[in-house]
Amino acid sequence: GQQLNQSPQSMFIQEGEDVSMNCTSSSIFNTWLWYKQDPGEGPVLLIALYKAGELTSNGRLTAQFGITRKDSFLNISASIPSDVGIYFCAGAYSGAGSYQLTFGKGTKLSVIP
Amino acid sequence: KAGVTQTPRYLIKTRGQQVTLSCSPISGHRSVSWYQQTPGQGLQFLFEYFSETQRNKGNFPGRFSGRQFSNSRSEMNVSTLELGDSALYLCASAVRGRASRNEQFFGPGTRLTVL
Repeated sequence: GQQLNQSPQSMFIQEGEDVSMNCTSSSIFNTWLWYKQDPGEGPVLLIALYKAGELTSNGRLTAQFGITRKDSFLNISASIPSDVGIYFCAGAYSGAGSYQLTFGKGTKLSVIP
Repeated sequence: KAGVTQTPRYLIKTRGQQVTLSCSPISGHRSVSWYQQTPGQGLQFLFEYFSETQRNKGNFPGRFSGRQFSNSRSEMNVSTLELGDSALYLCASAVRGRASRNEQFFGPGTRLTVL
């Protein structure tokens, strides 16, 4: 089945630093989604990407849909303590009625004040 | 607009029992998907329901089943519970109106513990 490799697994950064994480897939997707999950809660959608090469921002977050359609990147600028959590990438290929998300294993972000 | 709601939030069951989890999607959303989240396997797709029909199914045994009602609310059932079924079960809803839009919005999850 499809595999998503998300890296890094965890990050410890100083408040104010920028963060980068990425996902690569063995298959092509036509949608990339980025989620953030806090302990005991469900994932919250941060950014959705629908076209190869697309670059989309949401506040301090910027994500890109790779041109090969097999990868995506998420950047967080000027990190703050509330950025702490687990970030997941998810890919989907909606064709022939298929409508399921394949998730990466997550990047756990810790921010040191 | 209210978000996705899941009940109950926490459940404790013993091996061999069965359990039913409930999910109410965002108003106007007609697709409901279920995912299992464990520390070892991460988030794994169970199945998706749209217009009261199961549209996709993940690689889980037949003990895992679900259904969707005419108001788009969905239930998930797990029979003959095993210790390994302990997990956070997440429900996600989506509009599913356009093939190019796959945004799914998650509920808070139901934490199932099997003893």
